[in-house]
Amino acid sequence: KAGVTQTPRYLIKTRGQQVTLSCSPISGHRSVSWYQQTPGQGLQFLFEYFSETQRNKGNFPGRFSGRQFSNSRSEMNVSTLELGDSALYLCASTNVGGPRQETQYFGPGTRLLVL
Amino acid sequence: GESVGLHLPTLSVQEGDNSIINCAYSNSASDYFIWYKQESGKGPQFIIDIRSNMDKRQGQRVTVLLNKTVKHLSLQIAATQPGDSAVYFCAEASSGTYKYIFGTGTRLKVLA
Repeated sequence: KAGVTQTPRYLIKTRGQQVTLSCSPISGHRSVSWYQQTPGQGLQFLFEYFSETQRNKGNFPGRFSGRQFSNSRSEMNVSTLELGDSALYLCASTNVGGPRQETQYFGPGTRLLVL
Repeated sequence: GESVGLHLPTLSVQEGDNSIINCAYSNSASDYFIWYKQESGKGPQFIIDIRSNMDKRQGQRVTVLLNKTVKHLSLQIAATQPGDSAVYFCAEASSGTYKYIFGTGTRLKVLA
């Protein structure tokens, strides 16, 4: 099976712009989680989606949002970008209801640089 | 490559030796624990997991130990190889939440 894929892999934006990142989970996985990784804060949970519904949310401002489509693909959006949003954004998928139903498998991430 | 963390604790081991990476977790309610390996420029890769009803679990060359009394998790890597060089993260979760809390990470350097 193909792993979790994320597009784009690299992105450069300027302050005030918005950005949309995409994630395709492992085939058959219906839960998608998003994390932000920075050198200073480490890996921090953003939100988790299952069957197009956000089930859990981390402590990030409302500028960070996401959604999930009926095919389980997910997008996250960051509006009004700030310099501090520069990070590696990681997506993970989980095979809820199947074997290893709580294990999250990560994609390669999208590296976002805000100038 | 890209730096995962600028001030991560580093463990340096000789090739062929055993490595032990430690992690303190924060939430007494956590009942699922996972170790990930992250190489430069890549996403975290699943290594091994353990549930709170177990104290020890073994995989191929890796063993995870869980001490719930002191909220401590460790990852043992046998016969460490150059390919094991990476940053290792522990993560904790409560069943059904799908919200992982990650540790700060440990950089493992394997010396030839």
